[in-house]
Amino acid sequence: QVHLVESGGGVVQPGRSLRLSCAASGFTFSSHGMHWVRQAPGKGLEWVAVIWFDGTNKYYVDSVKGRFTISRDNSKNMLYLQMNSLSAEDTAVYYCAREGLWPDSGLDSWGQGTLVTVSS
Amino acid sequence: SYELTQPPSVSVSPGQTARITCSGDALSKKYAYWYQQKSGQAPVLVIHEDSKRPSGIPERFSGSSSGTMATLTISGAQVQDEADYYCSSTDSSGNHRVFGTGTKVTVL
Repeated sequence: QVHLVESGGGVVQPGRSLRLSCAASGFTFSSHGMHWVRQAPGKGLEWVAVIWFDGTNKYYVDSVKGRFTISRDNSKNMLYLQMNSLSAEDTAVYYCAREGLWPDSGLDSWGQGTLVTVSS
Repeated sequence: SYELTQPPSVSVSPGQTARITCSGDALSKKYAYWYQQKSGQAPVLVIHEDSKRPSGIPERFSGSSSGTMATLTISGAQVQDEADYYCSSTDSSGNHRVFGTGTKVTVL
């Protein structure tokens, strides 16, 4: 059974940093691309970043480029999101999501999310 | 930046058909995906590659795409289908995902 558990959220002051983690289990983590998707309170979903199965390629939404870094450790079945220079606009629930095994199969499994609140 | 536009809300009676549209230029060349998000829960993939249904998703959910518009259809909508629905696709490079603005479906 696929299981994704995010952690690391909390309240952080503007300009500070935070690192989110996503623990994966129940599947071959190293075979799947992984994504971070966020959702501001009462708002819609926003795609944040993707990392390929082997970590060789990473892509970001323009609003976080240069501030956020997605990474993974396939030996530990862990996905990370390093968030720097945080602002109030980054306040959201952050979900990690698995890309399906086949090309174009979509984000077929999601964690329950971790809340990041950027506030002074 | 690339945008996908959805109607804010759709309302149907139980047993009726709900149709949710999603419009965006890249849909003519890229697949559409649909996610269901019930209140307080994580999203769930209900349609991938325009019209394919993942295992475990009821047959009443179907998808189609033509030109720059994709459509999610819930045939015989049930009360438990009340949720926010988001379409998704990729930009022209295929490397960046984008979500639609979301549609709140009410079944009453």
